[in-house]
Amino acid sequence: EAGVTQFPSHSVIEKGQTVTLRCDPISGHDNLYWYRRVMGKEIKFLLHFVKESKQDESGMPNNRFLAERTGGTYSTLKVQPAELEDSGVYFCASSRDRNTQYFGPGTRLTVL
Amino acid sequence: AQTVTQSQPEMSVQEAETVTLSCTYDTSENNYYLFWYKQPPSRQMILVIRQEAYKQQNATENRFSVNFQKAAKSFSLKISDSQLGDTAMYFCALALNRDDKIIFGKGTRLHILP
Repeated sequence: EAGVTQFPSHSVIEKGQTVTLRCDPISGHDNLYWYRRVMGKEIKFLLHFVKESKQDESGMPNNRFLAERTGGTYSTLKVQPAELEDSGVYFCASSRDRNTQYFGPGTRLTVL
Repeated sequence: AQTVTQSQPEMSVQEAETVTLSCTYDTSENNYYLFWYKQPPSRQMILVIRQEAYKQQNATENRFSVNFQKAAKSFSLKISDSQLGDTAMYFCALALNRDDKIIFGKGTRLHILP
């Protein structure tokens, strides 16, 4: 069974540009989560999809962040326009059952 | 609000030794799960062990075991007979039963020395 995959593994962009991160969950996992770790801080929850619906987006920092999950399969997280404080590692996780989340390798985003 | 605290930013132990990573948490809820995740260098995070709060018995997975003290809100991880492959960042985490978001500690970077 393939694990959670994320693309790209690393992205370097200028402040003000747009970046789109992609997550492919484990096949058959209806639940998909996005988390973020900013340098030196805890990994923080961003949002949770159940299939294509946003179940909980309480962790999204502001309206520069837009997450979608078309058809309940892969998900994208777009940051537009990117700011310096958006730099960090963005993790995606998926689960079939509650409270057993499988994490992807993360996307390291650097905003210059 | 829920919080997870890991007081040891970094630790080093010799191979084959036993090491204990500390974690305390805070929640007013009664139903929750506790986790230890491991992230090896340049690799993805994997679940090491999970504990349901309603279970008194400490969870064990091979060389990994926890000491769950509910009243003290403590959840330490013991690694026995440590191996070089145990070198990783270890995250303690909490999830309430009523929702799915995981709350993480800052992590403990563990080095196993040959």
